[in-house]
Amino acid sequence: AQKVTQAQTEISVVEKEDVTLDCVYETRDTTYYLFWYKQPPSGELVFLIRRNSFDEQNEISGRYSWNFQKSTSSFNFTITASQVVDSAVYFCALSEAYSGAGSYQLTFGKGTKLSVIP
Amino acid sequence: IAGITQAPTSQILAAGRRMTLRCTQDMRHNAMYWYRQDLGLGLRLIHYSNTAGTTGKGEVPDGYSVSRANTDDFPLTLASAVPSQTSVYFCASRGQGHTGELFFGEGSRLTVL
Repeated sequence: AQKVTQAQTEISVVEKEDVTLDCVYETRDTTYYLFWYKQPPSGELVFLIRRNSFDEQNEISGRYSWNFQKSTSSFNFTITASQVVDSAVYFCALSEAYSGAGSYQLTFGKGTKLSVIP
Repeated sequence: IAGITQAPTSQILAAGRRMTLRCTQDMRHNAMYWYRQDLGLGLRLIHYSNTAGTTGKGEVPDGYSVSRANTDDFPLTLASAVPSQTSVYFCASRGQGHTGELFFGEGSRLTVL
């Protein structure tokens, strides 16, 4: 069974600080996909990134960066120079590539609420 | 581009009533999902459909049913609503076969009194 743990329930930072959101996952598969979604106060779910298990290169997109480490089963997300608009709930998710008769579902962590204080 | 359309956006419902949440996509994705979101619990899968004509149970299926008569529509039905079904419901479809990201609707907020 697949599992995603986001140990940080809530984080508050002052604007312009860097912040890292932790994500640890469990899976028995060797092929899987990891995702991050953002849910701003307006409620919609915004896709941020998808990473497959064979690509351990870190990714940077503007102020966002992701650190994927298979050795520790982690897929952490860092926001550099945080802004008030980054305030949201962030979800990490896992999908196994082969689920047999299953759903190929994304299993989500419980989310981390980030508050960026001006 | 509409993507995923959910209706209604919000609904207050008396316990015991029947309710159908509608979900339509225009991306021709095979896989579709219903999740519920509750504070502190994240998103939990209710039911899924890998392709038209097939459905399956997720993590929390009790009290809910779905159908998938065609590729575009995936309605979720509460046969007899109970207060514990008060939640925000998200419909989603998945691109790139079974490996892509989920595309979500804007959610349906349901309150059962």
